[in-house]
Amino acid sequence: AQRVTQPEKLLSVFKGAPVELKCNYSYSGSPELFWYVQYSRQRLQLLLRHISRESIKGFTADLNKGETSFHLKKPFAQEEDSAMYYCALTNNAGNMLTFGGGTRLMVKP
Amino acid sequence: DSGVTQTPKHLITATGQRVTLRCSPRSGDLSVYWYQQSLDQGLQFLIQYYNGEERAKGNILERFSAQQFPDLHSELNLSSLELGDSALYFCASSVAASSSYNEQFFGPGTRLTVL
Repeated sequence: AQRVTQPEKLLSVFKGAPVELKCNYSYSGSPELFWYVQYSRQRLQLLLRHISRESIKGFTADLNKGETSFHLKKPFAQEEDSAMYYCALTNNAGNMLTFGGGTRLMVKP
Repeated sequence: DSGVTQTPKHLITATGQRVTLRCSPRSGDLSVYWYQQSLDQGLQFLIQYYNGEERAKGNILERFSAQQFPDLHSELNLSSLELGDSALYFCASSVAASSSYNEQFFGPGTRLTVL
């Protein structure tokens, strides 16, 4: 069975500080991992996916198969980064997302 | 708004009742997904339809059913409602049935409260 764990429910940092949102997964196949974000009063939306190896809004995430992790990082947090972040894993067919419990990021001025 | 739409926004009903939640996908998207978000279970995949046919099933109770119509909108039917069914129900849509590049676009959700 596939499972995604986000150990921190809340992460609070000051503006300009580095941010790392942790995500660990368990999956028997070759995983496809994503980070979704939900800003206040907005819809859940895709932030980035590991297969694209992209950097969005300064965020990056590296898949570490040895540690089964896909942590989301940003070197300098901004107040507008405050949101709920969900790590997600899709099955081999690419049609069923399994979400972690989410981490609320608060960036203080 | 050409994004995913869901109606109603809020629904309050009593135990034992039946409700229908509606979702219209983005223009051009053929896949529709339903998710349930509750405090204790988090965000869970329920079911997927692609071009009118069921494609994948997750943790969906037998009391729940869904369908996708020829115009591609979808309905999620919840019957014999229990207090524990109170949750936020999200619909998402995507172009393809399955793909690693298959981005799912989410609707605003329907908040169901069972009293």
